[in-house]
Amino acid sequence: AQSVTQLGSHVSVSEGALVLLRCNYSSSVPPYLFWYVQYPNQGLQLLLKYTSAATLVKGINGFEAEFKKSETSFHLTKPSAHMRDAAEYFCAVSDVGAQKLVFGQGTRLTINP
Amino acid sequence: DTEVTQTPKHLVMGMTNKKSLKCEQHMGHRAMYWYKQKAKKPPELMFVYSYEKLSINESVPSRFSPECPNSSLLNLHLHALQPEDSALYLCASSPLGRQGAGYEQYFGPGTRLTVT
Repeated sequence: AQSVTQLGSHVSVSEGALVLLRCNYSSSVPPYLFWYVQYPNQGLQLLLKYTSAATLVKGINGFEAEFKKSETSFHLTKPSAHMRDAAEYFCAVSDVGAQKLVFGQGTRLTINP
Repeated sequence: DTEVTQTPKHLVMGMTNKKSLKCEQHMGHRAMYWYKQKAKKPPELMFVYSYEKLSINESVPSRFSPECPNSSLLNLHLHALQPEDSALYLCASSPLGRQGAGYEQYFGPGTRLTVT
């Protein structure tokens, strides 16, 4: 079965610093991979997706992620953090042909002024 | 337009009440989903509708009853809920590709449900 591991339930960075949120998946074949962001008391917003095209995926709000098959990873990065980036971030995976998303446990990102 | 709308935003109900949550999308997506999310946890899948037919029920108690009247609407009927059912209920939709393959899911803002 698919599974997703997000390393670090809480990440804290200074404003302007690099953001790195880690996600590793388990799958015997390249899956579809997604990053979602959830602001307090809101639904989930799609940041970016990997669907077997380019391995470096650019998303909204300056985020990007790189699919590395050899490491079964899909880490999310942003060069310079803004206060508005403070939120919960979920990595998710689905098999090709599947209708289910399997979510990681989430990483809460805090931005320090 | 990548918007999924949900009503109401907040709902407080007693354990003997009957209420419904509503979800609507106009993106032409043929898959719609209900999720339950507890605080500080990821969403948990409850139901999936594909082409207006229930395709996945994640062993959800019968006090939750989904309905998909048409390709744009999804309801969740609630009856005799328990306090532990208090949570954020999220609706999502996604396009369906070849052979029923799902793609990215678009989520609504959720309904915050409190059962007293």
